[in-house]
Parts: sequence; C-alpha cells; structure tokens
Amino acid sequence: KNEVEQSPQNLTAQEGEFITINCSYSVGISALHWLQQHPGGGIVSLFMLSSGKKKHGRLIATINIQEKHSSLHITASHPRDSAVYICAVSRPTDKLIFGTGTRLQVFP
Amino acid sequence: KAGVTQTPRYLIKTRGQQVTLSCSPISGHRSVSWYQQTPGQGLQFLFEYFSETQRNKGNFPGRFSGRQFSNSRSEMNVSTLELGDSALYLCASSLRQTRDGELFFGEGSRLTVL
Repeated sequence: KNEVEQSPQNLTAQEGEFITINCSYSVGISALHWLQQHPGGGIVSLFMLSSGKKKHGRLIATINIQEKHSSLHITASHPRDSAVYICAVSRPTDKLIFGTGTRLQVFP
Repeated sequence: KAGVTQTPRYLIKTRGQQVTLSCSPISGHRSVSWYQQTPGQGLQFLFEYFSETQRNKGNFPGRFSGRQFSNSRSEMNVSTLELGDSALYLCASSLRQTRDGELFFGEGSRLTVL
C-alpha cells in the first residue's frame, strides 16, 4: 500500500463544476503540499498545509491531521485548470513522498 | 525575482555515460531538493541539500550523487547511465528545509538514455 494515496486518478468535468480531489496518507508528516503539473513538466506549488484550511482564488485546501486526510477543491472550474494535481507529504526527516497524481480535464 | 533555473533542459546520452545536471535556486533560498519523475514510478525524492550539507537521500543507487555550493547552486550527477534513468529530473528550492518550507520547482531537465 502506498504511503500517500490520491483519488480519483482521473477526473473529467464541465466548465463551472465544483471539483474535489482527495489525498490520504499513512505516515507522520510535517506538512502536506498540493502541487499542479501542466503538460511539459513544470510543477507549481499550490498550497502547503500543516493544519486547517487555506484558500487562494478558486482553490481551497483542507487537512484533517487526526484522520490523515486532505482535500483540494476547485470552485467554478475552468479549462485552464486542466492539469495533473499531486499531493505530497513532508516527513519530519525532510523526505518528500508523492501521491500518484490526479489527472483533471475540464471541458468548455 | 528570478525563479529556479535548471540546465540543461533536454539532453540525450548513451548507456554507460555520465551526466551532470545543474539547479540554481531562488536568491536567498538555502535548500535544494532533487526529484526523479518517470511514467512508471511517478515522482520520487532523490536528495536534499541545505547549507551545503546533504540532509537526506532517497532510495536510489550510489550512481546518483549531488552537491551544493556555497552560493546554494546544486548539481546532481548520474554515473554509468542505464536505460531506466531516462526521466524528468526536477529540482526545487526552499527558504527553509523541505519538511517545513514552501517548494519552488524548476522546469526540469529531461534526460533520455539510449
């Protein structure tokens, strides 16, 4: 079993829909990262969380430390949100462990 | 403010050769971490350097090595290349150590081993 599990693996949405991507982990962490990767490879850090909730524009990330679970929400999705979204956890030992990613396609 | 710069962006090598990749972090960042991304294994942690010291290393063979210079620029080296080393190699810089610092990624170096 992977230490970081993401669901769903693939997600298709119509423009304007509300989207949720989930991440569960089984190890002790210092922080959880949500990353976005567009075709071509570049990765952008969306959020770094150690507790609670963060919001940036149409993106919201939450984490429940007791349940070892985090969610990334996209409100009013847009085709430009199409990308791979990756959850990663920072271990206290500095090692970063990645989920397998969620491929999101938003159609007009 | 300049972002994280990785060079070269693309390179092709043959089995048995060695390769050196470079990563220039954001000015003022002292942590540089390296990652390998392949279709089969996804993203995997290679190692992290903070203030010229290797802080941690992932589960990769000794052919993978790295270093960090006093100006925080980092290099990673892969010796005796194998076909399976073909991958996108990403580095990230951070103001603090990986465990509690926001990460800023470079565009990556795409290595093809023939």
